[in-house]
Amino acid sequence: AQRVTQPEKLLSVFKGAPVELKCNYSYSGSPELFWYVQYSRQRLQLLLRHISRESIKGFTADLNKGETSFHLKKPFAQEEDSAMYYCALGISGNTPLVFGKGTRLSVIA
Amino acid sequence: DTGVSQDPRHKITKRGQNVTFRCDPISEHNRLYWYRQTLGQGPEFLTYFQNEAQLEKSRLLSDRFSAERPKGSFSTLEIQRTEQGDSAMYLCASSSTGNTIYFGEGSWLTVV
Repeated sequence: AQRVTQPEKLLSVFKGAPVELKCNYSYSGSPELFWYVQYSRQRLQLLLRHISRESIKGFTADLNKGETSFHLKKPFAQEEDSAMYYCALGISGNTPLVFGKGTRLSVIA
Repeated sequence: DTGVSQDPRHKITKRGQNVTFRCDPISEHNRLYWYRQTLGQGPEFLTYFQNEAQLEKSRLLSDRFSAERPKGSFSTLEIQRTEQGDSAMYLCASSSTGNTIYFGEGSWLTVV
């Protein structure tokens, strides 16, 4: 069965410090990986997907099939990055996404 | 706002009562999903539709849960004989082609 693991429940960093939110997945085929973000009192929204390979709000994530990882990175954290971040796994063919339990990022001024 | 909308946003009900949630997806999206989220957990898949056909149901979806999407537009999720363990946020999401799904704001259910 497909599974997504986000090992950190909470990650606290100082403003301006680098950020890395870890995500590992379990799937033997060709996955599609996503990061969703939920800011306080807002709905879950897509942050980025590995297929598009774009940088959103300074965040990037690279799919590493050898390590089955899709870690989210940002070189300089900002206070407005404080939110819940969820990694999600999809399989081609539009099956429902499987989500990790999420990591709360807290950026300290 | 042309995003996914859910109603009601909050529902408090007594144990044993039935509750129904409604979801209106983004208009051009043919896929509609229901997820459940509890504190400290990520969204857990319940069921999804392509147009009016219910294509997959999670084993989380007990017999007390039923979902419909009668005309391939809005969907309802009904929970019969609610239990305290049903207390959660029920999230609806929709998508068109590809796997990117767009979420509504969710419906909070509290069973007392």
